[in-house]
Amino acid sequence: DVQLVESGGGLVKPGGSLRLSCAASGFTFSTYTMNWVRQAPGKGLEWVSSISGSSSYIYYADSVKGRFTISRDNAKNSLCLQMNSLSAEDTAVYYCAGGPDIGAAINGCDTWGQGTMVTVSS
Amino acid sequence: EVVLTQSPGTLSLSPGERAALSCRASQSVSSSFLAWYQQKPGQAPRLLIYGASSRATGIPDRFSGSGSGTDFTLTISRLEPEDFAVYYCQQYGDSPPITFGGGTQVEIK
Repeated sequence: DVQLVESGGGLVKPGGSLRLSCAASGFTFSTYTMNWVRQAPGKGLEWVSSISGSSSYIYYADSVKGRFTISRDNAKNSLCLQMNSLSAEDTAVYYCAGGPDIGAAINGCDTWGQGTMVTVSS
Repeated sequence: EVVLTQSPGTLSLSPGERAALSCRASQSVSSSFLAWYQQKPGQAPRLLIYGASSRATGIPDRFSGSGSGTDFTLTISRLEPEDFAVYYCQQYGDSPPITFGGGTQVEIK
């Protein structure tokens, strides 16, 4: 079965850091562009970052640029998001999601994890 | 940045009725890069439609997508009980950022 499993969420103080991970299985991970999408409590979906299958193309939302770093390890079928300088506005469920590589472009996401909650509070 | 505006915010319908959800873009979007997702409470989104009109794997044919340019529509021909959920449109492609619409909640009347 195709599966994405996020981990690493939790409670962190403002200004703190957190590292999210996503373990993939059931598909050829290296051929998928992977994304992080977040959803604040009671709100809509917000794209955070994308990384192409070979890591050649990396994109960030303006709201996280300079604070978050996306990376992947195709040998381990894993995706990571390093989050620094966190604020209350980063509180959300973070979803790992992916779609087939289409070069430098970002594809729609046909595979989603169940999400991991990040709460930024003192 | 392409802003997607979904309407209505809430749609109250009965099972068996037809639902038409609108997604309007602030600038022209390539039809190749417009998707629709369904999200139920406590669950991750699920891809329904990609490329504006192509159904994703396993999606029933009562779901259809149409439109081009700045106006796109998701139609559910006959609502089933499991279709009551929130629906989001998304534009993606070669000009990040990816953006989502604010969502339309389809609720039971």
